[in-house]
Amino acid sequence: DQQVKQNSPSLSVQEGRISILNCDYTNSMFDYFLWYKKYPAEGPTFLISISSIKDKNEDGRFTVFLNKSAKHLSLHIVPSQPGDSAVYFCAASAGGGTSYGKLTFGQGTILTVHP
Amino acid sequence: DAGVTQSPTHLIKTRGQQVTLRCSPKSGHDTVSWYQQALGQGPQFIFQYYEEEERQRGNFPDRFSGHQFPNYSSELNVNALLLGDSALYLCASSLGGTGRNQPQHFGDGTRLSIL
Repeated sequence: DQQVKQNSPSLSVQEGRISILNCDYTNSMFDYFLWYKKYPAEGPTFLISISSIKDKNEDGRFTVFLNKSAKHLSLHIVPSQPGDSAVYFCAASAGGGTSYGKLTFGQGTILTVHP
Repeated sequence: DAGVTQSPTHLIKTRGQQVTLRCSPKSGHDTVSWYQQALGQGPQFIFQYYEEEERQRGNFPDRFSGHQFPNYSSELNVNALLLGDSALYLCASSLGGTGRNQPQHFGDGTRLSIL
């Protein structure tokens, strides 16, 4: 039972344009959502997170949007840079507002940003 | 500020053997979680340790066990290794307790190959 799904295995974007990565979830108990970036031979790097009490969180070029009614979140990267090329994972937690919660990950989306 | 460190980087074992993987959390973190990542998949939660106790466990058999030491470092032990245990094993640390949501930060992982 895949509770977190990233339906696009890959995304290709031109440098300077917007990258939009999508994620859907099924578990209504999820209340904290995170995006991680992963380069080959490295562990996932935390990018940005959002609590279920918000619908948007922004950090520099990265913005995460949460639509609770649709059980959908997205990560926007503007402008995209070649160094953003990596695998992006969406993750969710049902910690009840605490850090007590395992992360459930999607399968990942490979982002390629062309110069 | 040292991040999450894992050892060894790579490990080759044969079926039936036992293995121990080690993790030192990021400075200031007290909670350690372990994940297994198969090729082309997102990380899967194994278990989480807080205050030297297993706080939460995923759907992994009892062959997978762990330990957390007073300095918050942790070990993952896998007994009776199977070919299917070949994967990247990731350790993540966070600030636990009942505080507000805190992201988990990952190490670069241990690549375990079973022959």
